[in-house]
Amino acid sequence: SQQGEEDPQALSIQEGENATMNCSYKTSINNLQWYRQNSGRGLVHLILIRSNEREKHSGRLRVTLDTSKKSSSLLITASRAADTASYFCATGLDTGRRALTFGSGTRLQVQP
Amino acid sequence: EAGVAQSPRYKIIEKRQSVAFWCNPISGHATLYWYQQILGQGPKLLIQFQNNGVVDDSQLPKDRFSAERLKGVDSTLKIQPAKLEDSAVYLCASSSNTGELFFGEGSRLTVL
Repeated sequence: SQQGEEDPQALSIQEGENATMNCSYKTSINNLQWYRQNSGRGLVHLILIRSNEREKHSGRLRVTLDTSKKSSSLLITASRAADTASYFCATGLDTGRRALTFGSGTRLQVQP
Repeated sequence: EAGVAQSPRYKIIEKRQSVAFWCNPISGHATLYWYQQILGQGPKLLIQFQNNGVVDDSQLPKDRFSAERLKGVDSTLKIQPAKLEDSAVYLCASSSNTGELFFGEGSRLTVL
């Protein structure tokens, strides 16, 4: 079964609103990563947070990690129509050595 | 810096036929992955290479799927014979030692 599961499966918001996506996982991890996938394209890395970090920012993105609850959230602030995509969390057991395990994704639709 | 190159982008075959996908990773990336992404799902690892050695092929259906990475650079994924359930996007990714994955645009396979 998938290591990470995103919630909600789909999210529709208006441009300018914030979008929050959650990810839960089952086993201990070394790092957690978020990726974006536009329709018909490959995945693009957004941010990596290590197990000893609690929060990380990158531009309009904010990621939190709670290892005690085995969960993470991705917040996109002031969303734009161009943010419309699927977002996946992926868990890593150790950096660079083992493959990432991806969740099923959240499909985000930002209405202009 | 050139990204991960994959070909072909699209392939339509009939069941029981064979197909091959090619991937050229980012220069200098020692690790190469093949993921299978079925419509509406997250990517699922098929095989991971470190240079030209296999690190993990536990989820590769070895009765019909094979992959090689000659000289530790390019890689080829083959399916023979194809089944209807093999219809999916086959994503190639590469990584250095930072942990983040760089994906190609994918090869979309339709099996009729």
